[in-house]
Amino acid sequence: AQSVTQPDIHITVSEGASLELRCNYSYGATPYLFWYVQSPGQGLQLLLKYFSGDTLVQGIKGFEAEFKRSQSSFNLRKPSVHWSDAAEYFCAVGREGNMLTFGGGTRLMVKP
Amino acid sequence: GAVVSQHPSWVICKSGTSVKIECRSLDFQATTMFWYRQFPKQSLMLMATSNEGSKATYEQGVEKDKFLINHASLTLSTLTVTSAHPEDSSFYICSARDLRTAYNEQFFGPGTRLTVL
Repeated sequence: AQSVTQPDIHITVSEGASLELRCNYSYGATPYLFWYVQSPGQGLQLLLKYFSGDTLVQGIKGFEAEFKRSQSSFNLRKPSVHWSDAAEYFCAVGREGNMLTFGGGTRLMVKP
Repeated sequence: GAVVSQHPSWVICKSGTSVKIECRSLDFQATTMFWYRQFPKQSLMLMATSNEGSKATYEQGVEKDKFLINHASLTLSTLTVTSAHPEDSSFYICSARDLRTAYNEQFFGPGTRLTVL
């Protein structure tokens, strides 16, 4: 069965510092991978996705993620965090029928 | 881009009543929509897959008689929480699959917060 693990439940970084959110997946086939962001009480906004091709994927708001098949990882990065990036981040893997399995989420807090 | 709306954005109801939540794809037709449930500070759990013109497919452990799903048109799916109880209080999010996109991406609605008193 497919699964997604986000090892860090909470992360706090200072504004302007770099960020890396970890995501590991378990899936038998080539995965479709996604990162979403959710502000409190809001729905999900897609940051970026990987389907195939270049393993370094650029997204919105200055985010990027790198697919590493050998490590079954799809970590999200941002070189300089802004206070407005404080939110919940979800990694997800697409499976048969295009259904998504979500990780547990990582709550990002940004210190001024 | 593909836009999905939900109505209402929040609802408060008394225990024992039924509540209907609508999910609409505004600028595309969606033969498949998905309903998720999210408890506070937790991840999204898929409840069911809603297929236009046919019965929904429920995930294991989800009571189909309690969470009625109707997908009567290509732009509308509804989730009805029947005889709601306080434990049904949650954030419900829908998504719609856009067949025009590569790999049939899902686009998410803004969510509906249900509080059962």
